[in-house]
Amino acid sequence: AQSVTQLGSHVSVSEGALVLLRCNYSSSVPPYLFWYVQYPNQGLQLLLKYTSAATLVKGINGFEAEFKKSETSFHLTKPSAHMRDAAEYFCAVSLPTTGGGNKLTFGTGTQLKVEL
Amino acid sequence: DADVTQTPRNRITKTGKRIMLECSQTKGHDRMYWYRQDPGLGLRLIYYSFDVKDINKGEISDGYSVSRQAQAKFSLSLESAIPNQTALYFCATSDASAVTDTQYFGPGTRLTVL
Repeated sequence: AQSVTQLGSHVSVSEGALVLLRCNYSSSVPPYLFWYVQYPNQGLQLLLKYTSAATLVKGINGFEAEFKKSETSFHLTKPSAHMRDAAEYFCAVSLPTTGGGNKLTFGTGTQLKVEL
Repeated sequence: DADVTQTPRNRITKTGKRIMLECSQTKGHDRMYWYRQDPGLGLRLIYYSFDVKDINKGEISDGYSVSRQAQAKFSLSLESAIPNQTALYFCATSDASAVTDTQYFGPGTRLTVL
């Protein structure tokens, strides 16, 4: 079975501060891992994805995430937060199905608040 | 993503009514998915379809049905809506030929069942 745990349903940072959003997964096989962002009243937008090519993955808007197999983690970071980063962030794990194709399992989300 | 559209964007209905949510895509993807989002629960998969003749139940399919009318269209129906089906519903698509099968989401439909 696979699952995703996002620690902290709400995270608040000051503008310019480091952003760290935590994600741990459980999987019996090497997974594909994703981070999506949801801005208010919008759908989910792909931030970045891990496909086993490189453990440090760079995404859009200055975000990056590092895959650590020993810790079963895929934490999302950004060196300096901007007000426009305020949104909800979802970690997801993808594993193959018996019928071909992959299914995504999402974490419960982390709401990021950026304060002046 | 404008390539995946959902109609309606907002809908208020009453308990017991039948309602259909529609999803269309111009990305040319084979695979389509329906999710619901509830506060604090993330997104949960309702149904998915890997091609026009393929329909599969997700983790929370009870009370829902789907129809894949064409490669580009995937509809979700609530035969008899109930208040706990009030949620934000998302359609997504993915490309079967892509290694990671990345999913791309529509803007969502906010459904309220009174």
